[in-house]
Amino acid sequence: DSGVTQTPKHLITATGQRVTLRCSPRSGDLSVYWYQQSLDQGLQFLIQYYNGEERAKGNILERFSAQQFPDLHSELNLSSLELGDSALYFCASSTGGAGSPLHFGNGTRLTVT
Amino acid sequence: DAKTTQPTSMDCAEGRAANLPCNHSTISGNEYVYWYRQIHSQGPQYIIHGLKNNETNEMASLIITEDRKSSTLILPHATLRDTAVYYCIVRVASGSARQLTFGSGTQLTVLP
Repeated sequence: DSGVTQTPKHLITATGQRVTLRCSPRSGDLSVYWYQQSLDQGLQFLIQYYNGEERAKGNILERFSAQQFPDLHSELNLSSLELGDSALYFCASSTGGAGSPLHFGNGTRLTVT
Repeated sequence: DAKTTQPTSMDCAEGRAANLPCNHSTISGNEYVYWYRQIHSQGPQYIIHGLKNNETNEMASLIITEDRKSSTLILPHATLRDTAVYYCIVRVASGSARQLTFGSGTQLTVLP
């Protein structure tokens, strides 16, 4: 158990809808990262937050947004969903210190029908 | 961050040591080497990381060559549950930890 909690584990929704994925980082970790893993692609970095502030952006679509709250949990919002958004979405956390490893949750499997 | 090269796949007999190589010939002095694994559709699992010295923990050993251009992850007694994709990643150590960039990794299959 990595200590990173993601909810829900599974989500099935229709095209055009909006969903919110939630992540609780490990106790004491200030950085949160979001990744997407589609069936035919590797792990793609989406976005990073550190202590409530956006720190880095990767291949995140404009239809997607995220935030980190004062209690350090994070939410990833996906809107105007398309079939191609079906994927596993992973959250990871780290202390944010130099060299600190990321610890991943077990993901949310999103299916868009 | 430096690029890494790993074999696409490897097999290992159960109970034997699994040695997974990684080439990172363009690594710079302030870059760490990290190893993760992903068992089918689960979240990537952190294994070990190092900067210059060899490292060992309860899961594995990491051997980094003196010139730091390559490394080997060693699973001392592989079990069937070690079958997974193993990722070798190089990342700059900075004051604000940056994201990890995953490549294709090595599919390790442990055979009974």
